[in-house]
Amino acid sequence: DSGVTQTPKHLITATGQRVTLRCSPRSGDLSVYWYQQSLDQGLQFLIQYYNGEERAKGNILERFSAQQFPDLHSELNLSSLELGDSALYFCASSEISGGSTGELFFGEGSRLTVL
Amino acid sequence: GQQVMQIPQYQHVQEGEDFTTYCNSSTTLSNIQWYKQRPGGHPVFLIQLVKSGEVKKQKRLTFQFGEAKKNSSLHITATQTTDVGTYFCAGKAYSGAGSYQLTFGKGTKLSVIP
Repeated sequence: DSGVTQTPKHLITATGQRVTLRCSPRSGDLSVYWYQQSLDQGLQFLIQYYNGEERAKGNILERFSAQQFPDLHSELNLSSLELGDSALYFCASSEISGGSTGELFFGEGSRLTVL
Repeated sequence: GQQVMQIPQYQHVQEGEDFTTYCNSSTTLSNIQWYKQRPGGHPVFLIQLVKSGEVKKQKRLTFQFGEAKKNSSLHITATQTTDVGTYFCAGKAYSGAGSYQLTFGKGTKLSVIP
């Protein structure tokens, strides 16, 4: 158990819909990262938050947005969903403060299926 | 931007054979991390290498960081069925404005034939 909690574990929805994925980082971790993993693909970095502020942005589509709340949990919002958005979405947290990226602790992921 | 290439993409080995995966970065790295993802699981941190030319061992796993800090390798001796999974390298590099970015390779999926 990494200490990172993601909900829901599985989600099935239709094209054009909007979903929200939730992540609670490990206790004390200020940084939260979101990654997308498609079938047989690597980990595509989407976005990072540190203590409530956006720190780095990767290949995140304009239809996707995220935020980190004062209690440090984070949400990833995916809208106008397309079939190609079907993937496993991982949240990870890190204990390292500031701009440095330390060891990442991954949650178990949220598997999104768009039909 | 920074790119991390990892080869091979897939590797099938007979149990007891050795296995190596290689990682190359387009830029000089501050450090490199390795993760393992079991089938159906999530990535789990294995190790971090920081120094040029560093070599670290974990039982049958040997990790190396190149002298130029742009490449790395993971070698597994005498593979076992428990080694099955996808091994990712992740290179950390300075991305400006006081921030660092961790870029993952696409991973090497290891299958072990009993």
